[in-house]
Amino acid sequence: DTAVSQTPKYLVTQMGNDKSIKCEQNLGHDTMYWYKQDSKKFLKIMFSYNNKELIINETVPNRFSPKSPDKAHLNLHINSLELGDSAVYFCASSPPGQGPYNEQFFGPGTRLTVL
Amino acid sequence: EDKVVQSPLSLVVHEGDTVTLNCSYEVTNFRSLLWYKQEKKAPTFLFMLTSSGIEKKSGRLSSILDKKELFSILNITATQTGDSAIYLCAALRGTYKYIFGTGTRLKVLA
Repeated sequence: DTAVSQTPKYLVTQMGNDKSIKCEQNLGHDTMYWYKQDSKKFLKIMFSYNNKELIINETVPNRFSPKSPDKAHLNLHINSLELGDSAVYFCASSPPGQGPYNEQFFGPGTRLTVL
Repeated sequence: EDKVVQSPLSLVVHEGDTVTLNCSYEVTNFRSLLWYKQEKKAPTFLFMLTSSGIEKKSGRLSSILDKKELFSILNITATQTGDSAIYLCAALRGTYKYIFGTGTRLKVLA
């Protein structure tokens, strides 16, 4: 019955490693997002895909690479992890259509800790 | 540059108090303003506002948007300890881009 799911929920890794976070939504939404939430709880958009096409690519180091194999999945791969990458990463999705009624649904978050 | 500013940053009240949270925005191609509540995990949706002056209500929570003065408020009446959370507002720019404020951390004491 899960709407937006992410795996893993927690990720602890060493600096320099490469890791991936997966996201899946079963809501039939066209648009998916990755956000980073820092320790001060500020939610910043990183990427957005609409129907597997990249539509938002904020100023994010190119160590971060999103991939959308189909419109229900949006994964995030991070190369050469740095201490500053430690944060909670949220996946979200929103319904199709171009009207102003695009409420976002968030996944449970992945807490990444880089040691 | 687009910005969304929330105030106050944090607030401590007693059960039964009424609180007003503020959100001001400067966003090009503004479409709508959303409010979320974040407890321990993911933000959960509260309201979406697209028109000025129309109050949205859900139980003890209500919200209104002023598109002329570029702000929104979220009111919570008769607060309860379960209202303790971070309240986030976000402005939708265009079709896809949500710009979040820094949040207001509300703590309700018994």
